[in-house]
Amino acid sequence: AIQMTQSPSSLSASVGDRVTITCRASQGIRNDLGWYQQKPGKAPKLLIYTASSLQSGVPSRFSGSGSGTDFTLTISSLQPEDFATYYCLQDHNYPWTFGQGTKVEIK
Amino acid sequence: EVQLLESGGGLLQPGGSLRLSCAASGFTFSSYAMSWVRQAPGKGLEWVSAIVGSGARTYYADSVKGRFTISRDNSKNTLYLQMQSLRADDTAIYYCAWRSGWRDFWGQGTLVTVSS
Repeated sequence: AIQMTQSPSSLSASVGDRVTITCRASQGIRNDLGWYQQKPGKAPKLLIYTASSLQSGVPSRFSGSGSGTDFTLTISSLQPEDFATYYCLQDHNYPWTFGQGTKVEIK
Repeated sequence: EVQLLESGGGLLQPGGSLRLSCAASGFTFSSYAMSWVRQAPGKGLEWVSAIVGSGARTYYADSVKGRFTISRDNSKNTLYLQMQSLRADDTAIYYCAWRSGWRDFWGQGTLVTVSS
């Protein structure tokens, strides 16, 4: 199975900060990667699909990049509603695998 | 409007069995693969299983292989997860999910608690 190593596991940031979260795949997955945001008690919400495509309705401050094994989610200017946990997901092949998650907290 | 509605969760003892259901609407159910994803309390997301649209192929996480069985009834637009030999570490919210490129929809989840 493909392993997804996500970092950091948590971070503290202030409103307006630029935040970067990375995921590394144990083998090449082309661009078959999505990024999710999850808030407590809610189902995950897709932010980015195919590594860099912004899901409809998601603010443009979110962006994704990468291909192959290394991927990045960037929030250009952190907003109060962005404090949440973020996950990457590879759907290149089964079994699909999630990263361990990054909890973004208020500094 | 796409809707996914899970049911069947509950409290049961280790070694027990349970069947989860997910009623789908708002899309051509039989055309798409479907997945189950779970989340243990305070933990991250774990993909559990998937089934292709026809039902001909199924896939499982190593953690549930041999104990869980995914199936679907396309005439009823319903996805199932039969869980056997349940363990305490199977305790989680179980989500039904339809994911295909930009199409990404999840149910509200159903809680399964395995405890003596």
